[in-house]
Amino acid sequence: QKEVEQDPGPLSVPEGAIVSLNCTYSNSAFQYFMWYRQYSRKGPELLMYTYSSGNKEDGRFTAQVDKSSKYISLFIRDSQPSDSATYLCAMSARPGGGADGLTFGKGTHLIIQP
Amino acid sequence: DADVTQTPRNRITKTGKRIMLECSQTKGHDRMYWYRQDPGLGLRLIYYSFDVKDINKGEISDGYSVSRQAQAKFSLSLESAIPNQTALYFCATSVGGTDTQYFGPGTRLTVL
Repeated sequence: QKEVEQDPGPLSVPEGAIVSLNCTYSNSAFQYFMWYRQYSRKGPELLMYTYSSGNKEDGRFTAQVDKSSKYISLFIRDSQPSDSATYLCAMSARPGGGADGLTFGKGTHLIIQP
Repeated sequence: DADVTQTPRNRITKTGKRIMLECSQTKGHDRMYWYRQDPGLGLRLIYYSFDVKDINKGEISDGYSVSRQAQAKFSLSLESAIPNQTALYFCATSVGGTDTQYFGPGTRLTVL
């Protein structure tokens, strides 16, 4: 069983819809959770970062962590065609990933239809 | 100019050839990483370096070697390339103790 599970999609939704992206994980030591966005032919870029459980909001994006369920989510409100990208969750047990680096999900390919 | 650059951006080579991928950064970060990305497998860590004298194997280091020539430069070598090393390779940097990794644009490597 992989440490981090993420549905690869593709997930296609109409413009303006609320998008929910999710990851589950098995390592209870993970405390630092990130979402990266990767446009086609580009490197991933950090979108959201959260520590431990709870919610964090940044504009149209909300990251949610439920450590008791080992489940993290990224919500995108009022989705735009420019949000079309692959979204990767990443997590670590220590700040900066420590000696183990970050553990990434496989990524979900999101398509926002105009 | 990009903070993290990778050369070449695309490379096609043959089985058995030695290949070097290079990464340079102007961010002044101490930590550098090499990942490969494969469809259906996501990003996997090959090697990482916390400073010039500290290099460590990642999840999938077999068949690869690295060199940290300076704080700003981290190169990845495939001594004898094989077809299953065909992938997208990313270099990343970070500041020690922080979580944000900054990725380069990637090198698409094809081994025939």
